[in-house]
Amino acid sequence: NAGVTQTPKFRILKIGQSMTLQCTQDMNHNYMYWYRQDPGMGLKLIYYSVGAGITDKGEVPNGYNVSRSTTEDFPLRLELAAPSQTSVYFCASSGTGGPSGNTIYFGEGSWLTVV
Amino acid sequence: GQSLEQPSEVTAVEGAIVQINCTYQTSGFYGLSWYQQHDGGAPTFLSYNALDGLEETGRFSSFLSRSDSYGYLLLQELQMKDSASYFCAVRVGGSQGNLIFGKGTKLSVKP
Repeated sequence: NAGVTQTPKFRILKIGQSMTLQCTQDMNHNYMYWYRQDPGMGLKLIYYSVGAGITDKGEVPNGYNVSRSTTEDFPLRLELAAPSQTSVYFCASSGTGGPSGNTIYFGEGSWLTVV
Repeated sequence: GQSLEQPSEVTAVEGAIVQINCTYQTSGFYGLSWYQQHDGGAPTFLSYNALDGLEETGRFSSFLSRSDSYGYLLLQELQMKDSASYFCAVRVGGSQGNLIFGKGTKLSVKP
């Protein structure tokens, strides 16, 4: 029962490098999200998608890009990495309507350090 | 702006009852959720309240008062494994809108 799978789990980037965090879900959820969590803080929404081909900005989108070509996949791209992007990144998904729409399922997280 | 306030830390002993409060100020409200996160782990869903009142799920209960913009998570018969961070989250922007998270309450359960 895979749920939400994100890779890599750990990554160290140099300032100015770019990378893509991969995320896939096997629950046929329409909604997918990328959050970041800084130490001792809550989760802040970076981008979200309500379905294939549709994406929108969250609270903290600067420095990131996303795409949603399929229902299953929602990669997050970091362009020109900066130390301020050092964080834990969580991909998540949820269904639509009823109880399934109120539960967000999170991946295990990706620890990113920019040096 | 949007804000959710919850205590940063709570300590309790095994077997006790603890209440974690959450007050919110958001533009729109479509439900209050609670998530648990163990150190180094992913948040996991605990409960959801769309209407006023108490929702019970085993040892955990969650309460909502929309008129007071307030809710709480009640944990009974505390166990060591309940030591974790607990986040309240408000759904805004519609019934399928996004979740805005509080900063979390770190619960430490002592023997």
